[in-house]
This record gives sequence, C-alpha cells and structure tokens, in this order.
Amino acid sequence: EDQVTQSPEALRLQEGESSSLNCSYTVSGLRGLFWYRQDPGKGPEFLFTLYSAGEEKEKERLKATLTKKESFLHITAPKPEDSATYLCAVLLSGGYQKVTFGIGTKLQVIP
Amino acid sequence: SAVISQKPSRDICQRGTSLTIQCQVDSQVTMMFWYRQQPGQSLTLIATANQGSEATYESGFVIDKFPISRPNLTFSTLTVSNMSPEDSSIYLCSVSRTATSTDTQYFGPGTRLTVL
Repeated sequence: EDQVTQSPEALRLQEGESSSLNCSYTVSGLRGLFWYRQDPGKGPEFLFTLYSAGEEKEKERLKATLTKKESFLHITAPKPEDSATYLCAVLLSGGYQKVTFGIGTKLQVIP
Repeated sequence: SAVISQKPSRDICQRGTSLTIQCQVDSQVTMMFWYRQQPGQSLTLIATANQGSEATYESGFVIDKFPISRPNLTFSTLTVSNMSPEDSSIYLCSVSRTATSTDTQYFGPGTRLTVL
C-alpha cells in the first residue's frame, strides 16, 4: 500500500534556528513529489515540485531535496511568518494525477 | 498559478440535508479535483472532474453521496448529500491547467462544513 509519512508531526523552533522536515514514502512508482504550505483556515499553497532523486529547489528560506525514499524541506533561519503546516504529497505512476498527501508537519517559529 | 474561489466559505447544516459547494477559477483549466480534509487527517481525494465526462471517484466515495458537476472549464460543484455529522470536514477544490500527469495542483481556500 502506498504511504506517505511526515515527521515530526509538530516542530517548535526559535527564530533563526534552522531545521529540516522529513517526508518519507513507500510507493510503487513515484512520478513527482510536491511540498505545500497551509495556513490555518486556508487552502494549501504550492511551494515546490521535485521529479527525480538528487533534485533540489529553493525559495527564500526554504530548500527542498529529494532522494529515492524521502524528501527534506530545509528551513534556514526561520521567521515567525514561516509558522504553518507543511504538507508533502506524492504523485504516483498511473497516467493520471492521483496525489497522495501526508498528514503534515505543524511548524511554530517563536520570536 | 490560478486564482480559485469557493462558495460558501463555511456552513452549518442539519443532518439529512444537502449542501452544494461551488469552485470558480479565474482562467480555463483542464483538470479539477475535490478533496476532503478531516481534522488530524491528510487531504483525501474524493473525485476528479473533467468537462464533458463523468467524474472519476476514488475508492470509498460514490456519486450518490457526492455528485459533481463540471459544466465548463472554469467551474465545478460538489454536493454533499444526505449529510451526517461524519461529513463535517473541510472540502477543497484544486485545479491543474493541463492533463499532463505531472502538472502542479493549485488549491482553493476551502469550505468548512459542520453537520449537526
């Protein structure tokens, strides 16, 4: 069975304290992996798409990386406005856009 | 990206009634999707809606409970029928511009439904 597991479930950081969020997957054919940010009461906001192992994408303080079994979202010197839930989603093989989401990591950055 | 709106943003409904949720996009898109997000759980795909064809439902979701319309390339509706408290959830619409299987999905703001 295809599974997407995100860890930790919750993370509390001091402002400026860098860390990484993990997304591990056991799927039978990965076509792509997405990272989204979700603020309370809002829909997920697209951050990155990664398609192949070794690929990296960056946006401001965020950097996403992908291996054959997992992806990391690195947050460098976070600010309070980075507080949100970060969702990982995998796009499975099969010819249509079936995306499987993890539960997410709730990040809180304290001033 | 695309600008996506949903109506209503939230609603409180009585058991046994039905609610229709609207999803409007500011430009034409090929694919539209409906998801459910229950507290403490991951987003779950309900169905894929393509214009001119029947919606494709995921395992555990049926058309009688969640009828979907897709009359054009910018609009879709999801109806939650004969509601029970277990249907209380956030319902999200997402879109992708093309039918390419690796295309990014963009999400609307969601509809928060509470069933009493």
